[in-house]
Amino acid sequence: DGGITQSPKYLFRKEGQNVTLSCEQNLNHDAMYWYRQDPGQGLRLIYYSQIVNDFQKGDIAEGYSVSREKKESFPLTVTSAQKNPTAFYLCASSISGGTTDTQYFGPGTRLTVL
Amino acid sequence: GNSVTQMEGPVTLSEEAFLTINCTYTATGYPSLFWYVQYPGEGLQLLLKATKADDKGSNKGFEATYRKETTSFHLEKGSVQVSDSAVYFCALVGKAAGNKLTFGGGTRVLVKP
Repeated sequence: DGGITQSPKYLFRKEGQNVTLSCEQNLNHDAMYWYRQDPGQGLRLIYYSQIVNDFQKGDIAEGYSVSREKKESFPLTVTSAQKNPTAFYLCASSISGGTTDTQYFGPGTRLTVL
Repeated sequence: GNSVTQMEGPVTLSEEAFLTINCTYTATGYPSLFWYVQYPGEGLQLLLKATKADDKGSNKGFEATYRKETTSFHLEKGSVQVSDSAVYFCALVGKAAGNKLTFGGGTRVLVKP
């Protein structure tokens, strides 16, 4: 089955630690995205990538980093510089990042900072 | 910049009631419009979309029409079920950098038996 997988489902981190969230897709999509969702709020874009080895900052990139070494993978690192990292993180992909393309979402990773 | 405004919830309904969730947007040019649904603890699923004015998106009994004159994309369902309880997000993709999705704040819908 084609789809987007995210791991782990739940992640706990101590303050001052970096953590990496995994996102993999086998849809052969060029574009991939990372969003953050806080309780009772909509999604905010962290980073996006429209092609391998290239990515751009979204609206709230501070304290996060990404890489896109392979088409199917777009890991997100939450660094110790992110002041309030506790949130639900969603990865998405689309065919090419075009205006009419549908973005397909993974099941999400819930990160809690202890 | 682009923005999406949708009615705040929660919206509480009885089964078989009519559901409307209002959504209005601000964007330059001609954006594509989407409704996504999120069930508890899960990611978002596309419910329906419309890519040009007067298009009607429909799926699972839900409908929304792209109204450029009123910059709206209201979601409707004629008879809701308990299984429709979820959070609904209106979103648009415009010709901004990266053609990124801009989301509304979400509307929680609770359908009671």
